[in-house]
Amino acid sequence: AQSVTQLDSQVPVFEEAPVELRCNYSSSVSVYLFWYVQYPNQGLQLLLKYLSGSTLVKGINGFEAEFNKSQTSFHLRKPSVHISDTAEYFCAVSNPLTGANNLFFGTGTRLTVIP
Amino acid sequence: GAVVSQHPSWVICKSGTSVKIECRSLDFQATTMFWYRQFPKQSLMLMATSNEGSKATYEQGVEKDKFLINHASLTLSTLTVTSAHPEDSSFYICSARRDRAENEQFFGPGTRLTVL
Repeated sequence: AQSVTQLDSQVPVFEEAPVELRCNYSSSVSVYLFWYVQYPNQGLQLLLKYLSGSTLVKGINGFEAEFNKSQTSFHLRKPSVHISDTAEYFCAVSNPLTGANNLFFGTGTRLTVIP
Repeated sequence: GAVVSQHPSWVICKSGTSVKIECRSLDFQATTMFWYRQFPKQSLMLMATSNEGSKATYEQGVEKDKFLINHASLTLSTLTVTSAHPEDSSFYICSARRDRAENEQFFGPGTRLTVL
């Protein structure tokens, strides 16, 4: 079975500063990894995903994440945040054998960008 | 493309009544739809997986008689919360997958249910 740990429940950061949201996963098999963003009272929007290939994945809104197999991590980064990036961010993992079924989510990280 | 809608976006009901939530894939046919529940400041918990034309598969601990799921067409799945109680108040989110080879789920905007 897979599981996801997001170590930081809240991350405050000043506008235009860089940010890293941490995600670690646990799995006995290879995985697909995802980052989603959720704005207040809305559903989830896919930021980026890692399926295979290059370990550095670029997503929308200037975000990127790096898959590190040895550290079982998939941290999300952005070099310069905007006020509009304030939202809840979820890391998720799935088993390639089952595809998009059984998507396991972390508990989320609330990113607050301070003007 | 790959837009998923939910209706209603929010609903308030009295305890003991039933509430139906619709999930539609607007520009694609969804072979599989998923229903999640999200409590305040918590993550999404998968409730059930719904395949068109067949019975839904419920996750452990989810009462199938309480949360009725119908996936009558390739673009519509419904979740009915029967005899709702205040503890059923939550944010319900659906998602859809275009085909079995797809590795991505497309999420709806969610429905806020408040049971008084």
